[in-house]
Formats: sequence, C-alpha cells, structure tokens
Amino acid sequence: DGGITQSPKYLFRKEGQNVTLSCEQNLNHDAMYWYRQDPGQGLRLIYYSQIVNDFQKGDIAEGYSVSREKKESFPLTVTSAQKNPTAFYLCASSEGGGNQPQHFGDGTRLSIL
Amino acid sequence: SQQGEEDPQALSIQEGENATMNCSYKTSINNLQWYRQNSGRGLVHLILIRSNEREKHSGRLRVTLDTSKKSSSLLITASRAADTASYFCATVGTGRRALTFGSGTRLQVQP
Repeated sequence: DGGITQSPKYLFRKEGQNVTLSCEQNLNHDAMYWYRQDPGQGLRLIYYSQIVNDFQKGDIAEGYSVSREKKESFPLTVTSAQKNPTAFYLCASSEGGGNQPQHFGDGTRLSIL
Repeated sequence: SQQGEEDPQALSIQEGENATMNCSYKTSINNLQWYRQNSGRGLVHLILIRSNEREKHSGRLRVTLDTSKKSSSLLITASRAADTASYFCATVGTGRRALTFGSGTRLQVQP
C-alpha cells in the first residue's frame, strides 16, 4: 500500500537537545510538507520541498531545519532554538504543486521532558 | 491571519441529521479543498472544488463555492457517528506555493 510513514509516533525532548522526526513516502510524489498543529488549532506550515535538494521556509520555520536528499524522505529536525516545541507534527506529500491534494502521515507527538 | 476560517468552531448533532460547515477565505484561489481529521490522526483529503465550479458532490458530501463572497460550505448528509472528526478547509492564496488551513470545525455526531 502506498502512503506516508512518520516515526516515531511519540517523542520526548530534553532541554537543549535536537531531535529528528522521520517522514518517508512511497507515493512517488515530488512535493513534501511539514506542519505543526497545536491543540484545537489548524495546521501551520513549517517547511516544504517541491523537488529533491530544494526546500523553502514556511510560516514558522524558526527553530526547525529540514533536508531533502532523496525523493522519498523529508526529515524534520527540531533544534534547541525552538523554545516551545510541544505539538503534533504532520508530514504530507502531493504529486505536484501546492494546489494538489495532500496525503498525510499519522503524525508525531513531541513533548518536552 | 489564516487564509481560511471555518464556522462554526464546534457542532454537535444527532445521527441522521445533516451537518453544514462554512469556510471563508481572503484572496483569489485556484481551488479549495476540504479535509477530515480523526482525533490523533493525520488529515484525509475529502474533496477539491475548482474556482470555476459552484457545486460538487462525493457520496454524502456536498461542497459549494461562492468566489464572489470568498466562501465555501461543506454539507454532510445523513450523518453517522463515524463522521465525528474535525473538518478543515484549505486554499493556496495569492503569492503562496502551499496550502493554508483554517482552524477547523469539530463535529460531534451523537449515536
């Protein structure tokens, strides 16, 4: 079955620590996205990538970093500079540009220890 | 502020009733999309309506789009307990290259 896999499902971060969230897709989609969702809120765009080796900042990129070395993979690193990282993180992909329907993974819930 | 905003924020109905959710947006769009999110899960794409379409159906879902009012509505007919979820509209606004999501409508369908 084609889809998007996010791991881990739950993640805990200590103060001053960087953590990396994994996102893998086997849909052969060019575009991938990372969103942050706070309780009872909508999704806010962190980073997106339209093609391998290229990515763009979204609305709330500060304190986060990404890479896109392979078409299938778009990992997100939450750095120690992100002072309020507790949230639900969602990865998505789409066939083409931003107007296309997006397929989502089941998210990673990040908490502070 | 958000490109899309849903109304109401929360809606509680009985099984078998219809549920209507509204979405307003600010800039011109190519299309508007609706998504569903079950608690603790990722979003699932429901339906896409293009800017030159006024109405679209998919099963028990009916979506309308009024570009003059910059608004859309999602109607779920004959609701079921399994329809309990949050529903989001999403658009790509002018100058952007990715979807912007509203804050969602939380629908509770009582069995």
